[in-house]
Order: sequence, then C-alpha cells, then structure tokens
Amino acid sequence: AQSVTQLDSQVPVFEEAPVELRCNYSSSVSVYLFWYVQYPNQGLQLLLKYLSGSTLVKGINGFEAEFNKSQTSFHLRKPSVHISDTAEYFCAVSASHASGGSYIPTFGRGTSLIVHP
Amino acid sequence: DGGITQSPKYLFRKEGQNVTLSCEQNLNHDAMYWYRQDPGQGLRLIYYSQIVNDFQKGDIAEGYSVSREKKESFPLTVTSAQKNPTAFYLCASSIGGGVTGELFFGEGSRLTVL
Repeated sequence: AQSVTQLDSQVPVFEEAPVELRCNYSSSVSVYLFWYVQYPNQGLQLLLKYLSGSTLVKGINGFEAEFNKSQTSFHLRKPSVHISDTAEYFCAVSASHASGGSYIPTFGRGTSLIVHP
Repeated sequence: DGGITQSPKYLFRKEGQNVTLSCEQNLNHDAMYWYRQDPGQGLRLIYYSQIVNDFQKGDIAEGYSVSREKKESFPLTVTSAQKNPTAFYLCASSIGGGVTGELFFGEGSRLTVL
C-alpha cells in the first residue's frame, strides 16, 4: 500500500517570507500527486496536482510543487506567504488500491502552516 | 452551483446509538468516498463506491456501514460497534471512479459521542 509522509506537523513563518512544505511518498510504478488545503472546520480544496509531464506544477493562490521521482518527493512551495495562507495542508498520492483497478488517494497527516504578521 | 452537501454539520450522540451522516452530490460523479479525520492523523478511508449498488471497504471500515442506492447519495452509518466514533467525517466524490484521484469534498460533519 502507498504511504505518504509529511515531515513537518507544523511550520511557523512570518508574512511575506518563503515557505516549503515537504512531502515524500513510497515508491510505485505510477502515481498521481496532489496538494490540498483545509481551512478550519471545512472540507479540503485542491491546490494543485501532478499527473504527468512537467515536473514543476503551478496551482492556485501562488503555490507550486515539484515532482522528484528519484527522491519520491513532491514538496510544496510559495515564494511569499500571506496571513490568509494559514491553514492545514495535505499531500495525497493516488495509486491502485488493494482491491485493484481503481486509484484511491492516500493522504499524509497534514502540515499546519501558521503565518505570523 | 454543483457541489457536495453533508448534513448535519454537527451531531451529538449517546454511546450505543447508531447515527447516519448524509452526503449528497450534484456533480454527476461516479465515485464517492468517506474519510475520517482525527487531529494529527490526516484522512483515513472508511468506504468508497465507484458505481451505484457497489461499495468497497477502506482502511478503517469496522464499525461503519454505507449504501449506494442512488448515484447522488452515499450515506454513512456509524454503528454502536465503532469504539471511538468522535471525529470529523468528510465525504468526497470524483469523476469516473477516481482514475486521477482528484477529489471534491463536502464541508464535513463533526460527530461527538457524549
């Protein structure tokens, strides 16, 4: 089964500073990679996704992520954060589930991004 | 607007009672999912369904049951057999059985067992 590791449970940062949220996954023949954001007491929203092609993926709200197959990583970055970016961020990997055939996402434990003024 | 509606948003239950969480979608998606979220543990898959009248157990199905009688609806019942049911429950859907895995989420239901 796939596993996803988000190395930091909490990342504090000052407003306008750059940030990187780290994500590693267990290797698989073919995977699809995602980052989602969750604001308090809400569902998750898709930030960006990697399906194929360019390893640098751009998403909403100025976020981007780079797929590194050799390091099995998919780190999320933003060059300058805002207070409104304070939220929980989840990395997810989609690969064939144990039952076979379908691609069911597996989520990491989440990283809480806290942006200070 | 298309989306996923979960109800109720907050629910309190006494120990030993079953409770059903509603999930409805008007996105015309084939696949639907239920995840459980606990602090620091991310999202864990309870059940998923790729087509009407069919569903599969996820990683933590014990103590839960589902049905998929209509494409738009995927209710989750938390039974008295679930030993620690207090959690935030998220319903999601995806196009075409989740081939790409991109999910669309509802706003969640928070269940508290008193």
